[in-house]
Amino acid sequence: EAAVTQSPRSKVAVTGGKVTLSCHQTNNHDYMYWYRQDTGHGLRLIHYSYVADSTEKGDIPDGYKASRPSQENFSLILELASLSQTAVYFCASRTRYEQYFGPGTRLTVL
Amino acid sequence: GDQVEQSPSALSLHEGTGSALRCNFTTTMRAVQWFRKNSRGSLINLFYLASGTKENGRLKSAFDSKERYSTLHIRDAQLEDSGTYFCAAEMDSNYQLIWGSGTKLIIKP
Repeated sequence: EAAVTQSPRSKVAVTGGKVTLSCHQTNNHDYMYWYRQDTGHGLRLIHYSYVADSTEKGDIPDGYKASRPSQENFSLILELASLSQTAVYFCASRTRYEQYFGPGTRLTVL
Repeated sequence: GDQVEQSPSALSLHEGTGSALRCNFTTTMRAVQWFRKNSRGSLINLFYLASGTKENGRLKSAFDSKERYSTLHIRDAQLEDSGTYFCAAEMDSNYQLIWGSGTKLIIKP
């Protein structure tokens, strides 16, 4: 069964601090994605990657960096966390037909 | 403007009844996926459609690319169907999904 794991599951960060969210997939999928979800909104794409060592900007990349050191791992980096980045973050990998999501990371920036 | 318009934003049903969720698209989409976000916050794949209809248990989904819409029908609703349902449409070849804003479904005993 396809599996995507995320760590940490929740985090409280201070404004201006650095935050790294990690995602690991055992699906052998090429494509991986980072989304954020805010209350009352659908998921919005931050960054994605279709091959190791390469990342692409999504719809809302400002304030975020991404890193894909291997096919299995995809990280989202907030160099200077801000209050507006409080949200739930989902990582996903996909086949041609389906996306498989991690359980989400709830990030609170204070 | 939004390329995916999902409705209703909230829906309350009694057990055993049914209803439909709908997503309208402002442009032609290649495919659509439907997801449910459960009480634990996990996103569950429900359907992927490039055309036509699919059925799985009490759920049935349809996608009409030409008419620019997709629907998700729920029949005989059960308490465990509660959650937020999202449609997400695939517009281009790099498989990016454009998401609806979600429908919060509450099933009442």
